[in-house]
Amino acid sequence: GAVVSQHPSWVICKSGTSVKIECRSLDFQATTMFWYRQFPKQSLMLMATSNEGSKATYEQGVEKDKFLINHASLTLSTLTVTSAHPEDSSFYICSATDRGRSTGELFFGEGSRLTVL
Amino acid sequence: TQLLEQSPQFLSIQEGENLTVYCNSSSVFSSLQWYRQEPGEGPVLLVTVVTGGEVKKLKRLTFQFGDARKDSSLHITAAQPGDTGLYLCAGADRGSTLGRLYFGRGTQLTVWP
Repeated sequence: GAVVSQHPSWVICKSGTSVKIECRSLDFQATTMFWYRQFPKQSLMLMATSNEGSKATYEQGVEKDKFLINHASLTLSTLTVTSAHPEDSSFYICSATDRGRSTGELFFGEGSRLTVL
Repeated sequence: TQLLEQSPQFLSIQEGENLTVYCNSSSVFSSLQWYRQEPGEGPVLLVTVVTGGEVKKLKRLTFQFGDARKDSSLHITAAQPGDTGLYLCAGADRGSTLGRLYFGRGTQLTVWP
């Protein structure tokens, strides 16, 4: 149990376009979902925390107008990279906590590789 | 702010050798988790330690949580090429949002056959 799925796995887009990445909890209701960015062979950098039905909380230095997060239901959160530029190319990962567990364990998606040309 | 110091950052060893990865902090964590990540995939949870002094074993992997819940270690015995990956420690702060973890920098382990 506790499967988190991300889509798409990889996406290539032109500079200036917007890209949406979905994060779904398949077999549980996610209290909170987290979005991370990761550069090659480096650790995860938390971008924002989102709770269903409320505005996301962004980490310092993360532009909320550039990285739009919507958490419309207990099983779906989306990250939209608006007006993407090559420097936005990265591996984006989401994670979720299970509403039914109190330990705070995180379940990660498979990640989405974004390449902006 | 990097709350968790993970070392070493890179580790390259031969098959059969033993290794230890350390995760240290000046902060107390309510729990600490270890993840392993392969290229192009999301991290996979290996273990969660909650109690100070706790030791957990997962086949050839031994995880220890410090008595003061400020540090942890991961020891791998007789490493195999399949152990290659990025190992991440992450601590949970009782005062933070449930699930908000503070990640270490990661240890990139390469095991050569």
